[in-house]
Amino acid sequence: GAVVSQHPSWVICKSGTSVKIECRSLDFQATTMFWYRQFPKQSLMLMATSNEGSKATYEQGVEKDKFLINHASLTLSTLTVTSAHPEDSSFYICSAKSSGQAGTGELFFGEGSRLTVL
Amino acid sequence: AQSVAQPEDQVNVAEGNPLTVKCTYSVSGNPYLFWYVQYPNRGLQFLLKYITGDNLVKGSYGFEAEFNKSQTSFHLKKPSALVSDSALYFCAVKGYSSASKIIFGSGTRLSIRP
Repeated sequence: GAVVSQHPSWVICKSGTSVKIECRSLDFQATTMFWYRQFPKQSLMLMATSNEGSKATYEQGVEKDKFLINHASLTLSTLTVTSAHPEDSSFYICSAKSSGQAGTGELFFGEGSRLTVL
Repeated sequence: AQSVAQPEDQVNVAEGNPLTVKCTYSVSGNPYLFWYVQYPNRGLQFLLKYITGDNLVKGSYGFEAEFNKSQTSFHLKKPSALVSDSALYFCAVKGYSSASKIIFGSGTRLSIRP
């Protein structure tokens, strides 16, 4: 199946700094990528939809200036948590939809990134 | 609006016994239905999907799921559970429209005891 690589797996940063998380589709082109946030023992919360070459679409309640998303190529989307605070600590997961599977909607997920803000 | 419900937060099964993880959904029109599994501190892994055709769908690791349109359910099943099946399982639904997003259930933690 399709492979999505997410980096870094773990990151610890100081409050006020910015952190960038990368999501790459390794063996397919992803016109659309999704960023989720998962709190402990909870389901995935969709944060935004990232479309190659255009602005991301954010879900209600997600601060676009806080969570910057860039999808500059068909294989890479990045999420930057700006001026991170302890409440931003979470597990962030990206997923990608193959352009060839747009009809069925199956998603391929990265391994997730655990962010801890001190 | 579409939604998906996983009524059980946790399911406990003895190794070797059959397991069922329940899922019901609500969507306009015909649904796409999915099951994913998540191991600790990992992303989600795709198990199986229902698009159309046979109501019984077979997936990875010996799992299968049965689509029941009248009951709007898509329960995940396995005839004989393994300890290694212990994980968090998510059911998801998507409408046929290309603009429709995948909605995930709240997750069910499956615990298989030796």
